[in-house]
Formats: sequence, C-alpha cells, structure tokens
Amino acid sequence: DGGITQSPKYLFRKEGQNVTLSCEQNLNHDAMYWYRQDPGQGLRLIYYSQIVNDFQKGDIAEGYSVSREKKESFPLTVTSAQKNPTAFYLCASSMKGVWGNQPQHFGDGTRLSIL
Amino acid sequence: QQQVKQSPQSLIVQKGGISIINCAYENTAFDYFPWYQQFPGKGPALLIAIRPDVSEKKEGRFTISFNKSAKQFSLHIMDSQPGDSATYFCAASRGNNDMRFGAGTRLTVKP
Repeated sequence: DGGITQSPKYLFRKEGQNVTLSCEQNLNHDAMYWYRQDPGQGLRLIYYSQIVNDFQKGDIAEGYSVSREKKESFPLTVTSAQKNPTAFYLCASSMKGVWGNQPQHFGDGTRLSIL
Repeated sequence: QQQVKQSPQSLIVQKGGISIINCAYENTAFDYFPWYQQFPGKGPALLIAIRPDVSEKKEGRFTISFNKSAKQFSLHIMDSQPGDSATYFCAASRGNNDMRFGAGTRLTVKP
C-alpha cells in the first residue's frame, strides 16, 4: 500500500541534543512538507521541498534543518537551537497537478518530548 | 498571523444531529479549501475539498458550503455518528506551498 511512513512514533530529546525524525513516502510525490502541531493550534509549516536537493523555509524554520537527497525521503532534524521542541510533528506529501493544488497526504506523526 | 479562523473550538452533538464547523479566511488569492479529519495519535486525512468556482460540494454525509464574497466556508456533517468524533481542520491554500490551517474543532458525537 502506498503511503507516508514516519518514525519513530515517540522520541525523547535531551538538552543540547540534536534528533532526527524520519519521513519516507512511496507515493511518487514530488513535494514534501514538515509541520508542527501544538495543542489548540493548527498545523504550522516548518520546511517544504518541491524537488530533490531543494527545500524552502516555512513559517517556523528556526531551530530545524532538513535534507532532500532522495525523492522518497525528507528527514527533519530538530537541533539544540530549538528551545521548545515538544510537539507533534507531521510529514506530508503531495503531487503537483495541472492546477497546482493537490491534496496533501499525511503520515501518522512523531511525538517529540524533552527529557 | 492567523489567515484562517475556525470556530467553534469544540462541539458536542447528539447522534443523528447535524455538526456545523465554520471557517473564515483573509487572503482572496486562496483557491483551494480542504477539510481534514484527525483522530488521536494519527495524521490528518483529507475529508473533502472545494474550489471557489462552486458554492457547495457534497460527498456522502459531508457537505462544504462556500461563500466567496463573505470569504467563509463551512463543513456540515449530516446524521452525525459517534465514529465521526475527531478533530476537524479547515485549510486554505494558494499553490502547493502556502496551505494555511485553522486551529481545529474537536467534535464529540454522543450516542
């Protein structure tokens, strides 16, 4: 079955530590996204990538980094510079269509907590 | 900057009733308006979506009503069921990279 796989489901970070969240898709989608979800708030865009080896900052990119070396993979690193990393992180992908807007398909998220 | 405002924050409906969730947007350049359904511990799943060239779209028990002049759109869930209990997000986008989400509505359908 095609879909988006995020791992791990739960992750704990120590002070000063960088952690990497995995996102893999087998939908052959060109675009991939990372969102942060906090209680009572909508999803906020961290980074997005439209094509391999290219990515752009979203609204809240500070303290995060990404790479897009393969079409299927878009890992997110939460660096020690992100002082409030506790949140639910969602990865999504979409296929660019003729009209530009295609629905985004989401993974089941990674919940990151501070130790 | 909140570009999509969603209300209510939470909603309790009796089984068989109609659930209504409203959203308002600011950017007139938005041209795609999806609704997502999210269950606890899961990612959002696309429920239904509309483009501004139509005023209503219906899929099963779910209907989007769209008012372009008022910059508002709403989700109606007819014959609400306990299995519909989830958090619902509206969104608006212009192109693939500019999707803005509402803050979400937690729907509880009581049996």
